[in-house]
Amino acid sequence: GQQVMQIPQYQHVQEGEDFTTYCNSSTTLSNIQWYKQRPGGHPVFLIQLVKSGEVKKQKRLTFQFGEAKKNSSLHITATQTTDVGTYFCAGPAYGNKLVFGAGTILRVKS
Amino acid sequence: NAGVTQTPKFQVLKTGQSMTLQCAQDMNHNSMYWYRQDPGMGLRLIYYSASEGTTDKGEVPNGYNVSRLNKREFSLRLESAAPSQTSVYFCASRRNTDTQYFGPGTRLTVL
Repeated sequence: GQQVMQIPQYQHVQEGEDFTTYCNSSTTLSNIQWYKQRPGGHPVFLIQLVKSGEVKKQKRLTFQFGEAKKNSSLHITATQTTDVGTYFCAGPAYGNKLVFGAGTILRVKS
Repeated sequence: NAGVTQTPKFQVLKTGQSMTLQCAQDMNHNSMYWYRQDPGMGLRLIYYSASEGTTDKGEVPNGYNVSRLNKREFSLRLESAAPSQTSVYFCASRRNTDTQYFGPGTRLTVL
């Protein structure tokens, strides 16, 4: 079945350093979504990318969708303690479902 | 507009006990979902309901049942709880653009 792989599983950075998480799908995606889950919280939708090669920015966060629409990345510039949490990518699957990556846990040392 | 609500927030069960997790959404979404989240495992789909009156199995349905009571409500039942069902359970609903909205979760411990 469809799989979405996400790396790294875990990253611990110094405040002010950059952070990147990568997502790869076993199939071509019509779109890819990113979610953030704060510790003890629930996943919250961040953004959806639809077009091949699309790049979107939200303040210090930059999201990219690969040319083949099978991979994506989330880059955070100059991390802050408020960036702590787990970042998930997700791609649509048959039957109105989403397939989630396992997530990347980000910890920030101040 | 409360979004997606879940009850209870926390629950402790003994092995073999039963319980129902409740979920409701007020966004008029057609599709609803139940996930479980375990450390290092991400979000795994238990059951989903693409529309009122339909339910389908997800990735990990064994030991669970669901009821789509109406368009707003989607409940998850554990008939005979097992320690392997200790997890955090999230309900979500979906609007037409695939985006899912999650409830705050239920933290379940089975002893």
